[in-house]
Amino acid sequence: DGGITQSPKYLFRKEGQNVTLSCEQNLNHDAMYWYRQDPGQGLRLIYYSQIVNDFQKGDIAEGYSVSREKKESFPLTVTSAQKNPTAFYLCASSVNDRGETQYFGPGTRLLVL
Amino acid sequence: GENVEQHPSTLSVQEGDSAVIKCTYSDSASNYFPWYKQELGKGPQLIIDIRSNVGEKKDQRIAVTLNKTAKHFSLHITETQPEDSAVYFCAASRGPVTGGFKTIFGAGTRLFVKA
Repeated sequence: DGGITQSPKYLFRKEGQNVTLSCEQNLNHDAMYWYRQDPGQGLRLIYYSQIVNDFQKGDIAEGYSVSREKKESFPLTVTSAQKNPTAFYLCASSVNDRGETQYFGPGTRLLVL
Repeated sequence: GENVEQHPSTLSVQEGDSAVIKCTYSDSASNYFPWYKQELGKGPQLIIDIRSNVGEKKDQRIAVTLNKTAKHFSLHITETQPEDSAVYFCAASRGPVTGGFKTIFGAGTRLFVKA
């Protein structure tokens, strides 16, 4: 069963804590993306990766970090430097990064305690 | 900077009526325009897309039109059903072959279909 999975579905962060959101895809896609969605707003790009061991900052990368050690995996770390992390985080992938269709995971909702 | 404006932000229709959502983009290099449907608590799902060399595309009750000169594209849903109720996002995209990766999403339209 091919697709994109994200875990956990809900995540709670304490002040000063780093947390990592998981994203895995078995679609053999080269490109992967992380977006942030705030209530009533569109999607804003945090980071994207065109290929393994390479990634680029998006529009709102401050306070976040990523890695792309494997083609299937693109974890996102929300660091303590991100002062307003409460949001819905969406991971996506596409065959390549030439404007092709992005397929989204189910999302992770991050809440601050 | 580049942006995509989407209207209306909320749309309420009676079951069986048509719904139209409009988007305007600013980046003239955009060449791919997908539409996504997002249900509550889930990730967006692609419902239809159109490329810049096509003016219209239809898939059953859903159609998309593109006017490149005016830089706007629209989603048309006919014979709406309660299960069409969701948030719809448009996006305008271009890949690095035309100057650097970029996909910009509209702010979304919340569609309510009343039974």
